[in-house]
Amino acid sequence: DAGVIQSPRHEVTEMGQEVTLRCKPISGHNSLFWYRQTMMRGLELLIYFNNNVPIDDSGMPEDRFSAKMPNASFSTLKIQPSEPRDSAVYFCASSSSGRLLVHEQFFGPGTRLTVL
Amino acid sequence: DQQVKQNSPSLSVQEGRISILNCDYTNSMFDYFLWYKKYPAEGPTFLISISSIKDKNEDGRFTVFLNKSAKHLSLHIVPSQPGDSAVYFCAASAQTGANNLFFGTGTRLTVIP
Repeated sequence: DAGVIQSPRHEVTEMGQEVTLRCKPISGHNSLFWYRQTMMRGLELLIYFNNNVPIDDSGMPEDRFSAKMPNASFSTLKIQPSEPRDSAVYFCASSSSGRLLVHEQFFGPGTRLTVL
Repeated sequence: DQQVKQNSPSLSVQEGRISILNCDYTNSMFDYFLWYKKYPAEGPTFLISISSIKDKNEDGRFTVFLNKSAKHLSLHIVPSQPGDSAVYFCAASAQTGANNLFFGTGTRLTVIP
C-alpha cells in the first residue's frame, strides 16, 4: 500500500491567493482527518470525515477554510483567500474506524504551506 | 485550550541512557492514549499505545506508563539510540466518543552519540 498521499508537498503563494491541498487516504479506510501543525499548538485537528461525511469541523479556523470529500479516495482542503498566518504544515491522516479498539491514524507526509 | 500537554519542548539524552518523555491531560473522558514519532519532512507514525484499563504497556525498547489519578503518562525509551532522535507527540482519545485524537505540542528528543 502506498500509504496516505498528499499533494503538493510544498506550496508557496502570495497573500490573497486560493490554495488547494489534496489527499488520497489509504484504500479501505473510512475516516479521514486534516491537521495543521504549528510550533505553538502542535497538531491541531481541523476537520474529519467518516464515510465521506464531515463529522466535526469545529477546528476549522475561519470561513476562509473549507474541506470536501467527494468520494472515499479523495479529499481537498481549500483556503481562500490565504493569509501569512496560514503558513504551516498541513497533514492528512486516515484510519479504519471499524476497528473499535484501535485509534491508530496513518499520516501522509504533509504539505508545507508558505503564504507571503 | 490544550487538553493534552507536553510541557517539555525538547530533551537531550546520551546514547544508551534512558529517555523519559512526559504528557499530561485534562479530560477525564480520555481512555486511550498513543505516542507518535515524527522525523523531519515526514508525517507522524504510530509508536505505541495504552488503554486506560492498563497502567503499563511495553514494546521492545519502548514502554508507556499511565497514571490515571494524576492524568499523566510517560514514554520510556531504553536504551536510547541516535535513530530515536525525532519529535514525539502524545495523543488521547475517548473510545466511546468520536474517533478523533487530541495531540500535544510535541517533544523534540535528541540522542547524542
